[in-house]
Amino acid sequence: EVQLVESGGGLVQPGGSLRLSCAASGFTFSNYWLSWVRQAPGKGLEWVANIKEDGSEKYYVDSVKGRFTISRDNAKNSVYLEMNSLRAEDTAIYYCARRRTMDVWGQGTTVTVSS
Amino acid sequence: DVVMTQSPLSLPVTLGQPASISCRSSQSLVYSDGNTYLNWFQQRPGQSPRRLIYKVSNRDSGVPDRFSGSGSGTDFTLKISRVEAEDVGVYYCMQGTHWPPWTFGQGTKVEVK
Repeated sequence: EVQLVESGGGLVQPGGSLRLSCAASGFTFSNYWLSWVRQAPGKGLEWVANIKEDGSEKYYVDSVKGRFTISRDNAKNSVYLEMNSLRAEDTAIYYCARRRTMDVWGQGTTVTVSS
Repeated sequence: DVVMTQSPLSLPVTLGQPASISCRSSQSLVYSDGNTYLNWFQQRPGQSPRRLIYKVSNRDSGVPDRFSGSGSGTDFTLKISRVEAEDVGVYYCMQGTHWPPWTFGQGTKVEVK
């Protein structure tokens, strides 16, 4: 079964940092782009970042450029989102998804930025 | 950035009746390879999103055939031929032609009358 499982969310103060992880199983991880998408409370979906199969290309939404870093470890079938200088507006459920077209989604991990 | 505009934002439906959601893009979504990268997602209450349709009209595995996608250029439609109770939720269109960024519509909430 194709599966993505996110972890690493939690409560963090403004200006703090957090590292999200997404563990994949059931498919050949190194053959796929991976994406992060977030959903603020009661709001719609927002693409955050994605990374090419070999990690050679990475793209970010403007609002997180310079603060978030996407990476992957194909040996561990995992993709990560390092989040620094967190702001209240980063509060959301963060989903990882397979491909740029997001054909498979994880269950999400919740990030709350609050003092 | 390409702006995706959905209508209506709220859609009360009667079970067994058809439903239709419109999605318009601020630029043509035809890519240089000839494909149109317009996807539809369903998000049921309390669940993660699920892709229903890719490249305008291709249903994902396991998606009931009452769901269909159509359109071209800048105008796209998701249709449900006969709404069932399990179809309640929010539906999003998303473009993957002009990137970055990949952009979603605001979402259309489908609820039973």
